[in-house]
Amino acid sequence: KAGVTQTPRYLIKTRGQQVTLSCSPISGHRSVSWYQQTPGQGLQFLFEYFSETQRNKGNFPGRFSGRQFSNSRSEMNVSTLELGDSALYLCASSYGGRTDTQYFGPGTRLTVL
Amino acid sequence: GQQLNQSPQSMFIQEGEDVSMNCTSSSIFNTWLWYKQDPGEGPVLLIALYKAGELTSNGRLTAQFGITRKDSFLNISASIPSDVGIYFCAGLNAGGTSYGKLTFGQGTILTVHP
Repeated sequence: KAGVTQTPRYLIKTRGQQVTLSCSPISGHRSVSWYQQTPGQGLQFLFEYFSETQRNKGNFPGRFSGRQFSNSRSEMNVSTLELGDSALYLCASSYGGRTDTQYFGPGTRLTVL
Repeated sequence: GQQLNQSPQSMFIQEGEDVSMNCTSSSIFNTWLWYKQDPGEGPVLLIALYKAGELTSNGRLTAQFGITRKDSFLNISASIPSDVGIYFCAGLNAGGTSYGKLTFGQGTILTVHP
């Protein structure tokens, strides 16, 4: 079974731009969660989608948004990029139960200049 | 945001030694997970624990779900150079609006000297 895939792997943007990251879950998984990883804050939960609906959201500003498609693929968007948005963005997929194990993709490294 | 208390923060050991790390929380978790992350890559699942008191092994790795559901530990026996990396504990809570939200420890950086 193929693992979680994320594209692109690396991105360089400038302040004020927007960016869209993509995540394809493991086949059969319907839940996709997104995390931001930085050296200072560690791994922080952004949001979770299941069957095209956002079920949970972390404490991030509205510039961070996401969506999920009918095939369970998910995208996250960051608008009006700030320097502090530079991070490794990770998505994880699961079957969708509250305590189901999550499997991570390789991440997208976003650098904001 | 909330994080689990993971210790130690870093370990420097000789190849062949055993390693132990643990996580504690003030909250109850229903699932405990242990991941390993290499630089620039996503975390890879090592062990999943679903029941209080559960002891699970995966090769040289052994992990336990604390009976209070507020702690977990991971042991690595007979360490080898490829064990180098960052180890994270993570918890999942079944209550409230907790869907899909892993709470992570700060990580343990493991260095193994040949």
